[in-house]
Amino acid sequence: DAGVTQSPTHLIKTRGQQVTLRCSPKSGHDTVSWYQQALGQGPQFIFQYYEEEERQRGNFPDRFSGHQFPNYSSELNVNALLLGDSALYLCASSPQGNPYEQYFGPGTRLTVT
Amino acid sequence: GQSLEQPSEVTAVEGAIVQINCTYQTSGFYGLSWYQQHDGGAPTFLSYNALDGLEETGRFSSFLSRSDSYGYLLLQELQMKDSASYFCAVRNSGTYKYIFGTGTRLKVLA
Repeated sequence: DAGVTQSPTHLIKTRGQQVTLRCSPKSGHDTVSWYQQALGQGPQFIFQYYEEEERQRGNFPDRFSGHQFPNYSSELNVNALLLGDSALYLCASSPQGNPYEQYFGPGTRLTVT
Repeated sequence: GQSLEQPSEVTAVEGAIVQINCTYQTSGFYGLSWYQQHDGGAPTFLSYNALDGLEETGRFSSFLSRSDSYGYLLLQELQMKDSASYFCAVRNSGTYKYIFGTGTRLKVLA
């Protein structure tokens, strides 16, 4: 049973560019959340997707957007990249009925230069 | 604001017992979760306390006291592989938003 997968593992972008990160949830999970984790800090909640809609958003600007597909996979898009967007981006999935146990993917390390 | 505070670093020796505290300031939440994260790895779920009291899962136990705005993770019979960062986390009441603590780096010495 495959766990949560994310792609790519590493990415280097230039300020002002746009990036798309991808996530496939654990089998049987229908809820996907995205987090940003700066070095030495805890994950910061970006948003959560369920039934192909964003049902909760954290304190992130509109430059951060996402999508969930019918197969529950998800994308995170970041526009107009800033140096401060450099971080590890984590995707987590959870099954409906048990939202407290989140399964995290390995993350995408984004570097903005 | 909402915050979950943890000690930044804890050091203990193999075989010992260590407690990692989490104090929080939040208006309401559903329960307290704990995650482990090794360097370069993804957070992995350890435990969840929906109610006050102690939850035990093998060598790990977690405790919650809502009246004291406090929780902790207890690790027994420490092993070298327990060296990692540990995060407490809550989901705010009435939302699907999760807040993670500042994280505690545990170093286990031989």
